[in-house]
Amino acid sequence: KQEVTQIPAALSVPEGENLVLNCSFTDSAIYNLQWFRQDPGKGLTSLLLIQSSQREQTSGRLNASLDKSSGRSTLYIAASQPGDSATYLCAVRSGANNLFFGTGTRLTVIP
Amino acid sequence: GAVVSQHPSRVICKSGTSVKIECRSLDFQATTMFWYRQFPKQSLMLMATSNEGSKATYEQGVEKDKFLINHASLTLSTLTVTSAHPEDSSFYICSASPSTGGPDTQYFGPGTRLTVL
Repeated sequence: KQEVTQIPAALSVPEGENLVLNCSFTDSAIYNLQWFRQDPGKGLTSLLLIQSSQREQTSGRLNASLDKSSGRSTLYIAASQPGDSATYLCAVRSGANNLFFGTGTRLTVIP
Repeated sequence: GAVVSQHPSRVICKSGTSVKIECRSLDFQATTMFWYRQFPKQSLMLMATSNEGSKATYEQGVEKDKFLINHASLTLSTLTVTSAHPEDSSFYICSASPSTGGPDTQYFGPGTRLTVL
């Protein structure tokens, strides 16, 4: 069964810093990997989707990489802002086309 | 953008009672809706997949007689937790895939926090 792990569980950084969130998965036979943002009281918002054949995707200040063979993905956030404070989840699609989520990284950007 | 709503956002009930949670796609039709459960400091776990007009598909370990899912229309799915117990206390999140989109297009609801006393 696919297992997804995210490190660190929580992270606090001062505004303006660049940061990296990590995600690892045990079964490399995936269709794709997504990074989501979860805000309290709100639904998940998809940030980036990387297909299994791709190595990275970029959207604004966000860059996600995928190394399928080693079972790893990173989410890079440049020039962090207080509005980036949220829980970031990675999820892989594998098996019977299910989404397997990590436990998330709770990010706090300090003004 | 596509919006999915859930009602209620929070519910507290007594042990042994049943609770119904609604998931609605507000501006699109969803052939498929998904129900997830998230315990504190744990991952979202898929409970079941519901397709409009047919029986839901439950994940291993999820009791179908305890978690009743109805997807009677293309914009509404309901999850009923029957005879709720304290261990059912959790955050329940639904998502919906537009009928015109692929499986990677899922819009998530804001979640429902269930507390069973």
